[in-house]
Amino acid sequence: DTGVSQDPRHKITKRGQNVTFRCDPISEHNRLYWYRQTLGQGPEFLTYFQNEAQLEKSRLLSDRFSAERPKGSFSTLEIQRTEQGDSAMYLCASSFLLAKNIQYFGAGTRLSVL
Amino acid sequence: AQSVTQLDSHVSVSEGTPVLLRCNYSSSYSPSLFWYVQHPNKGLQLLLKYTSAATLVKGINGFEAEFKKSETSFHLTKPSAHMSDAAEYFCVVSVLTGNQFYFGTGTSLTVIP
Repeated sequence: DTGVSQDPRHKITKRGQNVTFRCDPISEHNRLYWYRQTLGQGPEFLTYFQNEAQLEKSRLLSDRFSAERPKGSFSTLEIQRTEQGDSAMYLCASSFLLAKNIQYFGAGTRLSVL
Repeated sequence: AQSVTQLDSHVSVSEGTPVLLRCNYSSSYSPSLFWYVQHPNKGLQLLLKYTSAATLVKGINGFEAEFKKSETSFHLTKPSAHMSDAAEYFCVVSVLTGNQFYFGTGTSLTVIP
């Protein structure tokens, strides 16, 4: 499968714990995006990278959230001290700079905070 | 500022009848517009895109959409619904830089046999 892959698909955690998600983009894509989708809503932009540089962050990305893309390939999204309000689907997408208006999405990681 | 309004949260059609999913957008700049479909436990899949070329855009699986600047609309249509079309559909607006996608709240399409 050469699409965007995300791991894990599901994560259940207790409030206060830290969690980390991984996203592997399509191999030649240099842009990578993170979105959050809550029940009944469309995805909301969190942040994006061009290669290893994090170029934009939404105000939704509180200081408990951190994203990295250390080698310009895969990315991780970490949530520290999780809260019940963090329960959502976290989506990753990638795009190619010269076709940057088309984003390809992974299946997402569903986080449940108990 | 950019935003999208999907006018129906749920649409129900009979198999073989036309589908119309409505979307209005707001954009400060010339927009790029997209429709994505989301099946349960699957990633968002691009159906079609408008990026300032032809105003009538054809996509996959028989879907098409028409960009109407005067009405700020980008409605999605299909002549004949199939059972496999049942899913959540999202209208998306992006600006020229394309860094952010702004999603609508989605329209759930049910196809009745």
